[in-house]
Formats: sequence, C-alpha cells, structure tokens
Amino acid sequence: EAGVAQSPRYKIIEKRQSVAFWCNPISGHATLYWYQQILGQGPKLLIQFQNNGVVDDSQLPKDRFSAERLKGVDSTLKIQPAKLEDSAVYLCASSLWQAAPDTQYFGPGTRLTVL
Amino acid sequence: GESVGLHLPTLSVQEGDNSIINCAYSNSASDYFIWYKQESGKGPQFIIDIRSNMDKRQGQRVTVLLNKTVKHLSLQIAATQPGDSAVYFCAVYGYGGATNKLIFGTGTLLAVQP
Repeated sequence: EAGVAQSPRYKIIEKRQSVAFWCNPISGHATLYWYQQILGQGPKLLIQFQNNGVVDDSQLPKDRFSAERLKGVDSTLKIQPAKLEDSAVYLCASSLWQAAPDTQYFGPGTRLTVL
Repeated sequence: GESVGLHLPTLSVQEGDNSIINCAYSNSASDYFIWYKQESGKGPQFIIDIRSNMDKRQGQRVTVLLNKTVKHLSLQIAATQPGDSAVYFCAVYGYGGATNKLIFGTGTLLAVQP
C-alpha cells in the first residue's frame, strides 16, 4: 500500500514570499490533516479535513495560511506571506475516518526554511 | 487545555539494554494515549496505543504503562537495537477545541550506543 505522499521535500524561501505544499493521502482515506512541526517540538495540528470539508482549523493562522482539499483527495497548504517563524516541517497525514488515530499515517513532510 | 510533556529530552542506552521513556499529561479526563516513533527525515510512525481502561499493554518488544493516578505513561523498549534510535513522542487523543485531535508532547531522543 502506498503511503502519504508530499512534495516538495524541501523548500527555502525569503520572508514575505509565498509557498505551497502538496499532499496526496492514502487511497480511500477520508480524513486528511496538516501539522506543523517546529524543530524540537511535537507536531501541532493546523487543519483537519473530512472529505472536502473542514472539520477543524482552529489553530490555522488564517491571516497567512490557507488550505484546500478539492474533490476530497489531494490537498494543498499555502503560506502567504511567509514569516521567519514559519520555518518548520509541514506534515500531512491521513486516516480512514475521523475518530481513528491508530489508522492515521504521516507523510515524510516538507521542510520549510524562511530566510 | 491538554498539555503533554516528557521528562527527559535525550536518553542514551547501550544496545541490548531496556529503554524507558516517560511522559506526563495534564488532563485527567484524557482516555486515549499513543506513542509514536519519528526517524530523521520521516513522519511519526504509530508504535502502540492504550486506553484509560487499561494500565498496561504489550506489543512486539514494546510495553506501554499507564498510571492514571499520577497522569503518567511510559514506553518500555526491550533489548534496544540501533534501529530504535529515533525521537519518541507520546500523544493524547482528545477534545481540543473544535474536535478530537492528537496533542503531542515535545519528544525524547533515544540514542542507542553499539
């Protein structure tokens, strides 16, 4: 079974620039998550989708971050404009359904460096 | 809200020894706990979970112990191998504002010395 795919794996940008990350979840997984993992910390949930609807975006900085999951499959996370403190690994995860964290699988992440 | 913390940021063990990684949580209503392993350049990987109606659960070479009285859980790895070197996170699955979500601790780096 193919895992969660993410691209790019690495991205370096200057502050105030824009960046977008892409995620392809495991086939058949209805729930998709975006996490932010700052160096030395555990992942923090940014947004959770159930199919193409947003379930929880309470920790998403909506003034600069946006995410969409058109057609309920792939998802993109965008930052515009980026700040230095956005430097982190952005992890995408998917699970069969919402209340099943033991079925939640993580992708390898995109490491973002903002200069 | 819930917070999850780890006692030691780094744990160094000899190959073949047993490892114990500890974690404390703050919300006594938490009822579902998960341990993850994260290798360099990879996303977290599920290791083992435990619900609050249990105080011990065993997997292959791993055991999780839950002490609800002091809000503490631990991950024990038997006969630690070089491949066990990674950062280990405990996480609580619980209500976090809008919905249930995973809330991660800060992680413990396990370094296995040959």
